Amino acid sequence: DIVMTQTPLSLSVTPGQPASISCKSSQTLLHSDGKTYLYWYLQKPGQSPQLLIYEVSSRFSGVPDRFTGSGSGTDFTLKISRVEAEDVGVYYCMQGIHLLYTFGQGTKLEIK
Amino acid sequence: QVQLVQSGAEVKKPGASVKVSCKASGYTFTSYGITWVRQAPGQGLEWMGWISSYNGDTNYAQKLQGRVTMTTDTSTSTAYMELRSLRSDDTAVYYCARGSYMDVWGKGTTVTVSS
Repeated sequence: DIVMTQTPLSLSVTPGQPASISCKSSQTLLHSDGKTYLYWYLQKPGQSPQLLIYEVSSRFSGVPDRFTGSGSGTDFTLKISRVEAEDVGVYYCMQGIHLLYTFGQGTKLEIK
Repeated sequence: QVQLVQSGAEVKKPGASVKVSCKASGYTFTSYGITWVRQAPGQGLEWMGWISSYNGDTNYAQKLQGRVTMTTDTSTSTAYMELRSLRSDDTAVYYCARGSYMDVWGKGTTVTVSS
């Protein structure tokens, strides 16, 4: 299976400040069709996960533009330009290139 | 609106089976597969598998092979996940989600395995 490694596992951010989460995969997520199958999800406290970013950098419908996904191959980053209180929760990256998808361990974002 | 409504909480004994349902509405059921994800208490997300609502093709996580079966009923737009030979470490919230990249999620079904 492809192993997804996120860092850091937790971060505490002052509102209005930026935040960044790294996600590294054990194999390239670049498919022969030219797409890179890396996704980001946020699970807010007590809620189901929600899709934030698909195929590395495409924001899902309704996701604020302060969320930006980037990267290629095996190294990916989710950036929040200015953290807001509603952004608290656990962020997960997930690979979708291999038939057997796998999630990262999760990164817990807290507000200072 | 697009919704996935899951069945209610279950309590099972070790060795038993559980079958969780996920009823879709607001979209053409056969146009999207259904993915199942579980989350043990205090833990992260674990991808369990995916089923095509169009033709029933499935992909299961290796660790669950032989114990899990995913099915769909297109007449009722409902997906099912059955897990057999339950163990205590199967205690988790089980989620269904639309498609292989999960753009819509159900609210989850708590399955507790305890003697």
